[in-house]
Amino acid sequence: AQSVTQLDSHVSVSEGTPVLLRCNYSSSYSPSLFWYVQHPNKGLQLLLKYTSAATLVKGINGFEAEFKKSETSFHLTKPSAHMSDAAEYFCVVSDPGTYKYIFGTGTRLKVLA
Amino acid sequence: GAVVSQHPSRVICKSGTSVKIECRSLDFQATTMFWYRQFPKQSLMLMATSNEGSKATYEQGVEKDKFLINHASLTLSTLTVTSAHPEDSSFYICSATISPLGDVSNTEAFFGQGTRLTVV
Repeated sequence: AQSVTQLDSHVSVSEGTPVLLRCNYSSSYSPSLFWYVQHPNKGLQLLLKYTSAATLVKGINGFEAEFKKSETSFHLTKPSAHMSDAAEYFCVVSDPGTYKYIFGTGTRLKVLA
Repeated sequence: GAVVSQHPSRVICKSGTSVKIECRSLDFQATTMFWYRQFPKQSLMLMATSNEGSKATYEQGVEKDKFLINHASLTLSTLTVTSAHPEDSSFYICSATISPLGDVSNTEAFFGQGTRLTVV
């Protein structure tokens, strides 16, 4: 069975400092992993995805994530936080047989001025 | 990218009435769509898999008679919350998957904007 664990429910950073949102996955197969962002009362926007190509994945808005099989991790990073990055972030693993998406519990990012 | 449109974005209904939410794939055909529910400040929980031309597959604990799903065409799935009660108030999100050029290893889901249902 596939699962993801987001290690932090809340993360606060100052504007201009690096962002690190942690995600560990469990998968019997070579996983497809995603990071989505959700702004308040909005739908989901795909930030980036990993599908067994390059282990360092670059996404939109300066975000990137590195797939580390040995650590079963897929942490999301950004070098410099912007106020507009404040939102809820979800790490997601896709079941390869059914294409169901299994969501992590989410990490709420707060950016301080 | 592919576009999934969900309607309405917000709905308020009286307790005991039924509400229909539509999910459309605008520029591609989707044989499979998914319906999720999100409680306030919580993650998304998969409710059911909607299959075009056949019955939906519900996740454990989801009442199929309460949440009726119809996938009548390759571009439209509907979720009807029947006899709604205040505890059904939630954010409902649909998604549709697409495999570019038939490459199933590169399957990606596209999400609708969500529907906020408030039952009063």
